[in-house]
Amino acid sequence: EIVLTQSPGTLSLSPGERATLSCRASQSVSSSYLAWYQQKPGQAPRLLIYGASSRATGIPDRFSGSGSGTDFTLTISRLEPEDFAVYYCQQYGSSRVTFGQGTKVEIK
Amino acid sequence: QVQLQQSGPGLVKPSQTLSLTCAISGDSVSSNSAAWNWIRQSPSRGLEWLGRTYYRSKWYNDYAVSVKSRITINPDTSKNQFSLQLNSVTPEDTAVYYCARETVAVAGTCMDVWGQGTTVTVSS
Repeated sequence: EIVLTQSPGTLSLSPGERATLSCRASQSVSSSYLAWYQQKPGQAPRLLIYGASSRATGIPDRFSGSGSGTDFTLTISRLEPEDFAVYYCQQYGSSRVTFGQGTKVEIK
Repeated sequence: QVQLQQSGPGLVKPSQTLSLTCAISGDSVSSNSAAWNWIRQSPSRGLEWLGRTYYRSKWYNDYAVSVKSRITINPDTSKNQFSLQLNSVTPEDTAVYYCARETVAVAGTCMDVWGQGTTVTVSS
């Protein structure tokens, strides 16, 4: 099973700042099978990025994804108040799905 | 617009079977370009994928190793829905359970539509 490790666990930033979230895989992941989700309290996860770098429908262009192999990054260029949430990476491999443990982006 | 509506009990006794249903609107459980997943979330285990069912000329299932001996996911084409059954539950199975649609696009695979979540507590 591919293990996804996200860092940092918590990111304390102010609105307007740039957020850089990391997702590292225990073995190589096809970029087609790497996605990012945002989750707010009491809500289901919401798809942000798929295929490592493609934004989902309706997602603002301040969200971007990059990376390949075992290292992937989610960047929020300028944090808006509604972006403070928990972010998860996810991969599909060998007909199994795994999620990272999440990065919480909190207001500093 | 695709929507998933979950239903099922919020309380299950230890050793019994957890059963949830996810009703699909705006898509078909028999779609050749989608898969239908169950995921759960708890403070101790985070987001944990449980399994999926999908149709590609015939029905297939994939299950997580952690629950493989206890889980069944079934499609119901007559009602356009799919279900989760988890046998022999323990308090460790207490979690919020989600259903989700998985789609395959040119750029990649992802879960683009989620149900509202069902909080299930295993307790006597």
